[in-house]
Amino acid sequence: GNSVTQMEGPVTLSEEAFLTINCTYTATGYPSLFWYVQYPGEGLQLLLKATKADDKGSNKGFEATYRKETTSFHLEKGSVQVSDSAVYFCALSEINAGGTSYGKLTFGQGTILTVHP
Amino acid sequence: DADVTQTPRNRITKTGKRIMLECSQTKGHDRMYWYRQDPGLGLRLIYYSFDVKDINKGEISDGYSVSRQAQAKFSLSLESAIPNQTALYFCATSVGDRQYYSTGELFFGEGSRLTVL
Repeated sequence: GNSVTQMEGPVTLSEEAFLTINCTYTATGYPSLFWYVQYPGEGLQLLLKATKADDKGSNKGFEATYRKETTSFHLEKGSVQVSDSAVYFCALSEINAGGTSYGKLTFGQGTILTVHP
Repeated sequence: DADVTQTPRNRITKTGKRIMLECSQTKGHDRMYWYRQDPGLGLRLIYYSFDVKDINKGEISDGYSVSRQAQAKFSLSLESAIPNQTALYFCATSVGDRQYYSTGELFFGEGSRLTVL
């Protein structure tokens, strides 16, 4: 079945540091890939997505590139802020034999990011 | 007001009690989901529904049941709660532009924290 593996957390950084959160996946076919963010006390919200190989998703200074050859979708940001402190989830969308998504997401275990001033 | 509303936000109950978590949405989406979040395990899919008459089990449906009362309402029930059902529960919605296609983006409620003693 499908699976998503994220780097072990938690991650603690100083403001303006470079961020990488690793994500690798196992899936049949070519899934869509997502990063969701969960701020304290809130639900999850979509941060960025990529639907095919070599696509780069970006939003709010975060980027991730869909790497089919390494089955990876690592999240990066060049300069983190205190307001980026949250839990980050990598996820994939199951693709059926006809090439369409049923909209069910498989999530990684989440990575807690804390950014200090 | 939130587009996806969950009630209650917090609930403490005892083993063996019946519990219902309710979800309503104003986004007009056809698809609704219930996920469970546990520390270190990410989110796991309990049930999903693509329309009022289409309800499907997810990966961890044992011990749970659901009801899709209307397009906008999707309830999760624990008939006889047990302590290992203590978790944070999320309702989510998504839109499909063909019968079995979704962009994959989910819109989440703020969560219902359930504690079973």
